[in-house]
Amino acid sequence: DTGVSQDPRHKITKRGQNVTFRCDPISEHNRLYWYRQTLGQGPEFLTYFQNEAQLEKSRLLSDRFSAERPKGSFSTLEIQRTEQGDSAMYLCASSSTGTWGGYTFGSGTRLTVV
Amino acid sequence: AQTVTQSQPEMSVQEAETVTLSCTYDTSESNYYLFWYKQPPSRQMILVIRQEAYKQQNATENRFSVNFQKAAKSFSLKISDSQLGDTAMYFCAFIRQGAQKLVFGQGTRLTINP
Repeated sequence: DTGVSQDPRHKITKRGQNVTFRCDPISEHNRLYWYRQTLGQGPEFLTYFQNEAQLEKSRLLSDRFSAERPKGSFSTLEIQRTEQGDSAMYLCASSSTGTWGGYTFGSGTRLTVV
Repeated sequence: AQTVTQSQPEMSVQEAETVTLSCTYDTSESNYYLFWYKQPPSRQMILVIRQEAYKQQNATENRFSVNFQKAAKSFSLKISDSQLGDTAMYFCAFIRQGAQKLVFGQGTRLTINP
C-alpha cells in the first residue's frame, strides 16, 4: 500500500480558471476527507465521504467548489472560477470506520492562483 | 463549536533536550479524542499520538508522551531526547465522538538544532 496519493503536487492557475485535484485513498479505507490549509494555519475541514456518499460539507465549501467520489474509491475536488483567496494547500485524508480522527493524510496539492 | 488553541507559534531546542508543546481546547462534549499530528517540511501530516478523553492514563508512544488534563482542557505533548528528525510543524487536533470533522489548532513550528 502506497498511502494516500494526491495529484498534482503543485498547480499554478490564472484567476477565473477551473482546476481539479485528485485523491487516491488507501484502498481499504471507506472514508475520505478534504481539508484546506493556508500558510501558517492548521488544516480546515472542507468535506467528507463515506464510500460514495458525501455526508458533510463545511460552509467554507462555496458553490464554486464541488467534490465527488463516484465509485467510493478516488475523489476529485474541483474549484470553478478560481480566486486569489483559493490559494492554499488542499489536503486529502482517508480512514476506516471507527477510526476517530486517526487519519492518513496525503502530501497535498499546493494551489497558487495568479 | 469546538476550538483548539496552540499558544506557541515557534519553539527551538537543542538535540537531545526535552521539549513540551502546549495545547488547550474548548468543548462542552464529554466524549472526544485528542491528537498530535506532525507535519515535516515535506508536508505529509503524520499521526504522532492519540488520547481518548475517557482514559485517565496519559498516552505514550516511544519518545512522545502527553499530559492530558481534562478538567483544565489541556493537552500538552512532551518530546524526550529530541532528534533532528523531530523538526516539523506540530498540530493539536480534537474530534468529538461520533463526528468526522477533525478540528486543528494553528500549529507550533518546532526546530531541533544540532
